[in-house]
Amino acid sequence: QVQLVQSGAEVRNPGASVKVSCKASGYTFTSIYMHWVRQAPGQGLEWMGIINPNNGGTNYAQKFQGRVTMTRDTSTSTVYMELSSLRSDDTAIYYCARGDLMSTGYYFDYWGQGTLVTVSS
Amino acid sequence: DVRMTQSPSSLSASVGDRVTITCRASQNIDNYLTWYQQKPGRAPKLLIYAASSLQSGVPPRFSGSGSRTDFTLTISSLQPEDFAIYYCQQSFSTPLTFGGGTKVEVK
Repeated sequence: QVQLVQSGAEVRNPGASVKVSCKASGYTFTSIYMHWVRQAPGQGLEWMGIINPNNGGTNYAQKFQGRVTMTRDTSTSTVYMELSSLRSDDTAIYYCARGDLMSTGYYFDYWGQGTLVTVSS
Repeated sequence: DVRMTQSPSSLSASVGDRVTITCRASQNIDNYLTWYQQKPGRAPKLLIYAASSLQSGVPPRFSGSGSRTDFTLTISSLQPEDFAIYYCQQSFSTPLTFGGGTKVEVK
């Protein structure tokens, strides 16, 4: 069965960076795009960007351009999301979500369990 | 960016009620519209894609309709496990964007 297992909670000081991992299993890792979506406490969902696990190609939301880097390791079927220059408003749960490009765009059929990133001094 | 507006932001309903949630896009998105359900402490769950296609394993009491800018999620007979927050999401263009959510609460 498809599973996306994320790394554990992180606490960072403002200005630091954080790297969250998402290990995929149960399907061909390189065949389906992976997205990152975040959710601030008590708030809605925000798309951060997408990575193509086959070739490493990325597309980031303009809001995060210059601060986010998404990478993958095909040998371990893992994608990573690194966010730098952290601010307090980056405190959120970060989800990886599998979502292929279908005839009607992307939709997310499997999600990781989420990783809470807390930014606080 | 395509702005997605959901209404209402919250509603109170009883088991057995018919519930309707609307989602409006700021521009034409054809049928590039997805609905998710999220329960507290859990990741969102895919319900409906392509505006009206039911995801495998989702009960048929959930249905979606609409196209272009106006969309609806309907729960025909609300069950106890359906109390949750519902989000719409467009994938017509990047950045992919979500509605603000509709919380379905017990009346």
